[in-house]
Amino acid sequence: GENVEQHPSTLSVQEGDSAVIKCTYSDSASNYFPWYKQELGKRPQLIIDIRSNVGEKKDQRIAVTLNKTAKHFSLHITETQPEDSAVYFCAASYRNTPLVFGKGTRLSVIA
Amino acid sequence: GAVVSQHPSRVICKSGTSVKIECRSLDFQATTMFWYRQFPKQSLMLMATSNEGSKATYEQGVEKDKFLINHASLTLSTLTVTSAHPEDSSFYICSARDLAAAYEQYFGPGTRLTVT
Repeated sequence: GENVEQHPSTLSVQEGDSAVIKCTYSDSASNYFPWYKQELGKRPQLIIDIRSNVGEKKDQRIAVTLNKTAKHFSLHITETQPEDSAVYFCAASYRNTPLVFGKGTRLSVIA
Repeated sequence: GAVVSQHPSRVICKSGTSVKIECRSLDFQATTMFWYRQFPKQSLMLMATSNEGSKATYEQGVEKDKFLINHASLTLSTLTVTSAHPEDSSFYICSARDLAAAYEQYFGPGTRLTVT
């Protein structure tokens, strides 16, 4: 089955700097790669996703890149703000299969 | 649109008792619902996949006789934790996939279960 590795597990950045979180996946059939932000005690919130027919997608300060050959995808957050502090999860799936999550990255944005 | 609710949001029960958690898709039909468990400071771990009108598919290591899943309609799935023990204390989150959307899963708000 699918296995998703996520790095780093913790990340601290100064406010205004960029943050990058990287994930690799094992199943070459996976074709959907969402990123979630989760605050303590809350449900995961989808922030951006990408499908395998696209190499990059951007939404304001957030972007995701996908390299299917290398089987890795990354989340980029620019101009970080204190409210970006949370745990971020990457995930992967194929068609009707359930999402498999990475272990998460705890992002701290220091004001 | 694409709202998933869960009930209850929090529950405390005594060891040995059973607890039922409901997951509903409020504005769409979901042939497939998923149940995840999340321990503190850990990731979401898939417990089972629930398909409407058929038996759930459990992940390796998840006891199907302990975690009973029923998906009786296109908008409701239930998870019953039977004979709960303190080690079952966790955050249980369901998600649902819209019939019309092949990829995205919509998550419920989660249920915090504490077994004393």
